[in-house]
Amino acid sequence: DIQMTQSPSSLSASVGDRVTITCQASQDITNFLNWYQQKPGKAPKLLIYDASNLETGVPSRFSGSGSGTDFIFTISSLQPEDIATYYCQQYDNLPYTFGQGTKLEIK
Amino acid sequence: QVQLQESGPGLVKPSETLSLTCTVSGGSVSSNNYYWSWIRQPPGKGLEWIGYIHNGGNTNYNPSLKSRVTISVDTSKNQFSLKLSSVTAADTAVYYCARDVVVMVAAINYKWFDPWGQGTLVTVSS
Repeated sequence: DIQMTQSPSSLSASVGDRVTITCQASQDITNFLNWYQQKPGKAPKLLIYDASNLETGVPSRFSGSGSGTDFIFTISSLQPEDIATYYCQQYDNLPYTFGQGTKLEIK
Repeated sequence: QVQLQESGPGLVKPSETLSLTCTVSGGSVSSNNYYWSWIRQPPGKGLEWIGYIHNGGNTNYNPSLKSRVTISVDTSKNQFSLKLSSVTAADTAVYYCARDVVVMVAAINYKWFDPWGQGTLVTVSS
């Protein structure tokens, strides 16, 4: 299985801050990576597909980049409603695998 | 828009079989453009893909669960189902069904899960 490692596991930031989460794959996955947002008690929601493509309706403050084994997820200006846990997910190889999640809190 | 809804018992005894159904509305489980997946999340933990069904009968399961998992589809009811046998406390989780979107561009398949059901908590306990 391809292992996905996210960093950090948790993060505390202030409203308006730029927030960056990294995701590293245990092998080259090209750009076959998605990012999801999960709010407490809710199902995950797709934010970014194919490493850098913003899902329709998702605010432009969210972005993704990277290829190969190293990927970055960025929130350009943190808003209170962005409090959630964020997951990366690879689909280069089965079984699909997820990172362990990054829990984002407001400072 | 497509919506998914999980249903099934919230409590299962150890060694028994967990059975869940996902009802799809606003779309068809028979569509060749989509796969239909089950994903679970133990309390306070991360996400684990269980498996998918596609095109009415083609399945693929996570090797970690393969010996215990069966995913099937009922096109007449527009539903797909999960059975997980010989459950233990480690199978306690929120179980989600999700549509696995597949988009082919220049002979490359791009995939993502969207939408997801709201999830259903299944507790394994005597």
